[in-house]
Amino acid sequence: DTEVTQTPKHLVMGMTNKKSLKCEQHMGHRAMYWYKQKAKKPPELMFVYSYEKLSINESVPSRFSPECPNSSLLNLHLHALQPEDSALYLCASSRGREGSTEAFFGQGTRLTVV
Amino acid sequence: ILNVEQSPQSLHVQEGDSTNFTCSFPSSNFYALHWYRWETAKSPEALFVMTLNGDEKKKGRISATLNTKEGYSYLYIKGSQPEDSATYLCAPLEYGNKLVFGAGTILRVKS
Repeated sequence: DTEVTQTPKHLVMGMTNKKSLKCEQHMGHRAMYWYKQKAKKPPELMFVYSYEKLSINESVPSRFSPECPNSSLLNLHLHALQPEDSALYLCASSRGREGSTEAFFGQGTRLTVV
Repeated sequence: ILNVEQSPQSLHVQEGDSTNFTCSFPSSNFYALHWYRWETAKSPEALFVMTLNGDEKKKGRISATLNTKEGYSYLYIKGSQPEDSATYLCAPLEYGNKLVFGAGTILRVKS
């Protein structure tokens, strides 16, 4: 099983809403990533969790709040987003031992903020 | 933060042509170099992970080399086919599992 599953696939939310994106993998990977992707641009790194601890935060605004409740799950909590936050949010995972394997990506959540 | 540069930005070739792209990065503070193939409306898919200076990897008609001392990696495609059309992304992996993509090289192969 080399699958990273993201839910929901699509999400429309208002600027005052609170919502969460979910990502799940059962490959035993210990590094998990959130990326933001705007049209025709490569994925832009937001957060990295290594062994369930936040290891990288790329100066992401606090309206995005990541959470890693266990080694298989990664959440991204959203609150008071702006229309410019509309994008494809990709989750990825890798083995986590530095440099050893590639990252596997989910299909993404298409987020629209209205 | 590593400054990753990929060249050329885009490439248009005829079916059967061989081609190569470059990924350059500062030659320190990383411990692996990843290459991904990315088709629009799909998620990136890994091609290679290289860690050692002089590493060479091959998958079918696609191969890659790594020079860690001078900070570059080449990706080669032999006998390009229309299905090779995609964006090719490189990403040095920094400590903390930090994987940051370059801007990519867009390849279009005409039949």
